[in-house]
Amino acid sequence: GNSVTQMEGPVTLSEEAFLTINCTYTATGYPSLFWYVQYPGEGLQLLLKATKADDKGSNKGFEATYRKETTSFHLEKGSVQVSDSAVYFCALSVYGQNFVFGPGTRLSVLP
Amino acid sequence: NAGVTQTPKFRVLKTGQSMTLLCAQDMNHEYMYWYRQDPGMGLRLIHYSVGEGTTAKGEVPDGYNVSRLKKQNFLLGLESAAPSQTSVYFCASGAGEKLFFGSGTQLSVL
Repeated sequence: GNSVTQMEGPVTLSEEAFLTINCTYTATGYPSLFWYVQYPGEGLQLLLKATKADDKGSNKGFEATYRKETTSFHLEKGSVQVSDSAVYFCALSVYGQNFVFGPGTRLSVLP
Repeated sequence: NAGVTQTPKFRVLKTGQSMTLLCAQDMNHEYMYWYRQDPGMGLRLIHYSVGEGTTAKGEVPDGYNVSRLKKQNFLLGLESAAPSQTSVYFCASGAGEKLFFGSGTQLSVL
């Protein structure tokens, strides 16, 4: 079946540090890949997505590249802010149905 | 612009009690989903619906029932609550490949 694996958290960084959150996936077919973010007390929000190999999704300074050869979709940001503190979920879907989410990685950014 | 609205936001039940969680969306989406979120396990799909009058089982459907009598509403029922159902429940609706989530219901079963 389809699955998503993320690096274990929590991740604690100082403001302006570089962020990487690793994500790898297993899927049949041709999945689309996503990063969702959950701020405290809220539901998940779509952060970025990529629909085919070598696509790069980007939003709010975050980037992730769909790497089919390594089945990965790592999230990166060059300079994190305190407001980026949240839980980040990697996810996939095939044909826009039945999304599969990773366990989430909690990020804390200290001033 | 309400988006996806869940009620209630918090609830405490005793083992064996029943309750219904309501999800309403105003975006005319065909697809709606119920997930539960548990520490270290991410989101797990309970049930979903691909349109009015349809429902289907997800990954963890046991102990839950759902109904989609109107396109905009998706109800999740617990007939006899158990402590294992203590969790945070999220409803989502979908348009193509983007999901829109409600703010969640925190349920404790004692």
